[in-house]
Amino acid sequence: RKEVEQDPGPFNVPEGATVAFNCTYSNSASQSFFWYRQDCRKEPKLLMSVYSSGNEDGRFTAQLNRASQYISLLIRDSKLSDSATYLCVVKDNNAGNMLTFGGGTRLMVKP
Amino acid sequence: ETGVTQTPRHLVMGMTNKKSLKCEQHLGHNAMYWYKQSAKKPLELMFVYSLEERVENNSVPSRFSPECPNSSHLFLHLHTLQPEDSALYLCASSHPGTGNSPLHFGNGTRLTVT
Repeated sequence: RKEVEQDPGPFNVPEGATVAFNCTYSNSASQSFFWYRQDCRKEPKLLMSVYSSGNEDGRFTAQLNRASQYISLLIRDSKLSDSATYLCVVKDNNAGNMLTFGGGTRLMVKP
Repeated sequence: ETGVTQTPRHLVMGMTNKKSLKCEQHLGHNAMYWYKQSAKKPLELMFVYSLEERVENNSVPSRFSPECPNSSHLFLHLHTLQPEDSALYLCASSHPGTGNSPLHFGNGTRLTVT
């Protein structure tokens, strides 16, 4: 079983749609969680951290379910510029500085 | 804009060549990383340096040799690489002491081994 698992997609959605991605992780000792965005042939960039209470940043909402060991990212009112690969990242703070990346979910927003 | 700078952006090398990738961070972080990203694979951690000491090797082949002379600079020395080593090599930095500290990536070196 992969440590961090994501549906690779692609998710093809029209502009304005709401889309949600899930990510599951296997290490129950994981303590920090992030969503990164990676555009084609570019480096990953931090989109948002994920907190236990959930957090929202504009059109983006991230939630954490520790009991079920999954993280979600919700994007409302999709824009063409949201097209990218979204990477789920999990960190075990007791294991040094190891961050484990999921394989990413590709989103394509169409006009 | 990125506080982590990598050079070169692109590199083509033969299997008998020796080259080095360079990374520099201007964020005041004290942990630096090398990641490898191959097509259709998750990012793979290669090396971590925290306070200039290597703390994780992850069983990377010896043809990859990291060097961290100080907390702002990181190198990856390459020699006798194989075609399957062609990938995007990403440098990153972070504050390791902060639990929720994310990684900040450089823009990567796209390496092609011929």
